[in-house]
Amino acid sequence: QVRLVQSGPDVRRPGASVNVSCKTSGYSFTSGGISWVRQAPGQGLEWMGWIHVTNGATVYAPKFQGRLTLTRETSTTTVFMELKSLRVDDSAVYYCARDGDSPLDHWGQGTLVSVSS
Amino acid sequence: EFVLTQSPATLSVSPGETATLSCKASESIGNNLVWYQQKPGQPPRLLVSGGSARAAGIPARFSGSRSGREFTLTISGLQSEDFAMYFCHQHNFSPRSFGQGTKVE
Repeated sequence: QVRLVQSGPDVRRPGASVNVSCKTSGYSFTSGGISWVRQAPGQGLEWMGWIHVTNGATVYAPKFQGRLTLTRETSTTTVFMELKSLRVDDSAVYYCARDGDSPLDHWGQGTLVSVSS
Repeated sequence: EFVLTQSPATLSVSPGETATLSCKASESIGNNLVWYQQKPGQPPRLLVSGGSARAAGIPARFSGSRSGREFTLTISGLQSEDFAMYFCHQHNFSPRSFGQGTKVE
């Protein structure tokens, strides 16, 4: 079955960067794309960006332009998210989700990123 | 600026009753709207896509509909496992966006 398994929780200082990985399996990796969505504690969902896993094309929400980088490694069917210049309000659970037969049809388990001085 | 407005913020219903959730787009998005359910500590789960198509394995008590720019998720005969947060999501415009969520309690 389709699975997206994310890397573990992370704690960072303000100004640092964080990298979260999303290992996919159970489907043809090169069909469709992967979106990243975050959720601050007790808050709603926020779409951050998307990567086309075949050609590496990316679309970023304007809010994250310049700070967010999405990449993929087709040999390991893994997608990576890097967020730079972290702020305290970047503390959130970060999810990867597949854009497959339907938008965001399968999700990773989430990765808690805490930003604190 | 495109806005997706979800209402109500909280919906109090009893088991067996019907819950009606709304999501209104500030501009036409066609049928490019999806509904998700989220329980505490879990990622969202896809319920309905294309405005009205149930995802695989989703019970028939969940139904989606559209009237112009307004989308509705109806949960008929609420069961205990249906008490959760529900989010709508539009994928017509970039950046994609979510409604603020409705808590069904």
